[in-house]
Amino acid sequence: SQQGEEDPQALSIQEGENATMNCSYKTSINNLQWYRQNSGRGLVHLILIRSNEREKHSGRLRVTLDTSKKSSSLLITASRAADTASYFCATDEIQGAQKLVFGQGTRLTINP
Amino acid sequence: EPEVTQTPSHQVTQMGQEVILRCVPISNHLYFYWYRQILGQKVEFLVSFYNNEISEKSEIFDDQFSVERPDGSNFTLKIRSTKLEDSAMYFCASQFGTGPPNSPLHFGNGTRLTVT
Repeated sequence: SQQGEEDPQALSIQEGENATMNCSYKTSINNLQWYRQNSGRGLVHLILIRSNEREKHSGRLRVTLDTSKKSSSLLITASRAADTASYFCATDEIQGAQKLVFGQGTRLTINP
Repeated sequence: EPEVTQTPSHQVTQMGQEVILRCVPISNHLYFYWYRQILGQKVEFLVSFYNNEISEKSEIFDDQFSVERPDGSNFTLKIRSTKLEDSAMYFCASQFGTGPPNSPLHFGNGTRLTVT
């Protein structure tokens, strides 16, 4: 089964606007994480939200988790050109807890 | 801030050859991983390693793949006889602990493997 499917696949907005990316998953999870990947680089951990949490903030990032709908959203407020990257959600399943399952990612472009 | 480092950044090899991808995880981390990303596709889990043994592996990680932590600092991924479909970006990651709460994975910048 597919796990961690993000939408949209690509998002292009103007600098200063907010960007919202969504992620859906299928199985029960321990936690859900969001990672950023700049082109040709490794994945950088942004934020982790546990299955018993509903919302978490970190700087300009806001993550929500709805376990009843098996979905999460990542909001980046006041976007900057440097936020241009691909963003992935990754779930940590209850079984096989050391294995992250990544989605396809959302390619975010911030236009100056 | 400590980093996971991977070498080489790019490896080109001929089909059937053996390759070894190298990683130096963050020094006080206990869990180590290899993931791969075929161009334009998802990041896929290959294998996790803890206490000098494989703790979990995916279907992709067949007999052609092996991992080793030979000296307490390096963590290597060996592909014995490369195939064209092994061409991908290979990411090493390390993790301090698996919680709860689970600590995040720290990824290296990857090795781009091209099999010709």
